[in-house]
Amino acid sequence: QKEVEQDPGPLSVPEGAIVSLNCTYSNSAFQYFMWYRQYSRKGPELLMYTYSSGNKEDGRFTAQVDKSSKYISLFIRDSQPSDSATYLCAMARGKLIFGQGTTLQVKP
Amino acid sequence: GAVVSQHPSRVICKSGTSVKIECRSLDFQATTMFWYRQFPKQSLMLMATSNEGSKATYEQGVEKDKFLINHASLTLSTLTVTSAHPEDSSFYICSASPGLVPHNEQFFGPGTRLTVL
Repeated sequence: QKEVEQDPGPLSVPEGAIVSLNCTYSNSAFQYFMWYRQYSRKGPELLMYTYSSGNKEDGRFTAQVDKSSKYISLFIRDSQPSDSATYLCAMARGKLIFGQGTTLQVKP
Repeated sequence: GAVVSQHPSRVICKSGTSVKIECRSLDFQATTMFWYRQFPKQSLMLMATSNEGSKATYEQGVEKDKFLINHASLTLSTLTVTSAHPEDSSFYICSASPGLVPHNEQFFGPGTRLTVL
């Protein structure tokens, strides 16, 4: 069993839709949770960084962590074609463990 | 701020040759640098962690004699793939962290695509 599970998709939505991306994990030792966005053939860029359970909002992005369920989510409101990318969740326990990434396509 | 560059962005080499990839933190000092490998449609897999001035720590299954890492300064780390073979073809990405603790924010480079013929 992988430490971090993430549905690779692809996920296709119309412009303006609310997107929900999710990851589950098995190791309760994880303390830090991150979401990265990776465009094709580029390095990942950090979108959101959370430590505790709860919600964190930044513009159109909301990160949610539920440590009791070992479940994290990223919500994108009013999705745009420029949001089309692969979204990777990552968790830290001394090093970063990445999910497989979910490929998102936002259609105009 | 927090820009990390990699060079080259793309390299094609013959089987058996060695390839060096550079990773630079442009506007901060990177106490720790990381090297990842990413195969198509797969996640980033950590290969090794390096701290300036000390030997790199390799992940299980990564051959340290094949993937030589040098972190000679606080702004530069290099990865040398020695005697490259087609199965080494992959996307290699470095990241750099200004803090000593790995879960402090890591800033990623744009990646280097290696193709071994």
